[in-house]
Amino acid sequence: DAGITQSPRHKVTETGTPVTLRCHQTENHRYMYWYRQDPGHGLRLIHYSYGVKDTDKGEVSDGYSVSRSKTEDFLLTLESATSSQTSVYFCAISGDRDGTEAFFGQGTRLTVV
Amino acid sequence: GNSVTQMEGPVTLSEEAFLTINCTYTATGYPSLFWYVQYPGEGLQLLLKATKADDKGSNKGFEATYRKETTSFHLEKGSVQVSDSAVYFCALTPNAGKSTFGDGTTLTVKP
Repeated sequence: DAGITQSPRHKVTETGTPVTLRCHQTENHRYMYWYRQDPGHGLRLIHYSYGVKDTDKGEVSDGYSVSRSKTEDFLLTLESATSSQTSVYFCAISGDRDGTEAFFGQGTRLTVV
Repeated sequence: GNSVTQMEGPVTLSEEAFLTINCTYTATGYPSLFWYVQYPGEGLQLLLKATKADDKGSNKGFEATYRKETTSFHLEKGSVQVSDSAVYFCALTPNAGKSTFGDGTTLTVKP
């Protein structure tokens, strides 16, 4: 199994509080991604990174920020959590060799009350 | 930009039925194509892939052929089982680039 772990796996937080989710990889892959998955919406890309300190927005980036200060860690921060950010969040990694697949973490279930 | 379009679900089949899930893509160049599967409560995992035109990816009885002329990568299985019930995602990755996923298709197989 690819070395990718997400933490925490479950979290309940209150509206208006900041929340940080962590993705850690041991594969030295270049690309890292944060997705959210909601019923009826499939996977939606929040942000991605193509190298240390190199990040870009996805389709649903409002209310989220990311940081990647080293290859193995990609942090997703909700600056002020809202109920609409209740979701399951997945981190993924992929390499930059042709034909390499993406590997996904187990997901973080976040509930904002 | 790149995009992936999957047939809308959900799909419900009886055990031993034939499965097809359509996937078409838009991309420049020659991307690699993938099918991922997600079982309840888990992350996505690779089911099969094809890296060039006319390649056939296969795994666990599932197959998909990279058709450049129709920009398609349809997933097929001759005889589905209850254990195949899951969400299936088609995806592409351009050469050394960022992956793009379809919206997923939920398959339910009834005994």
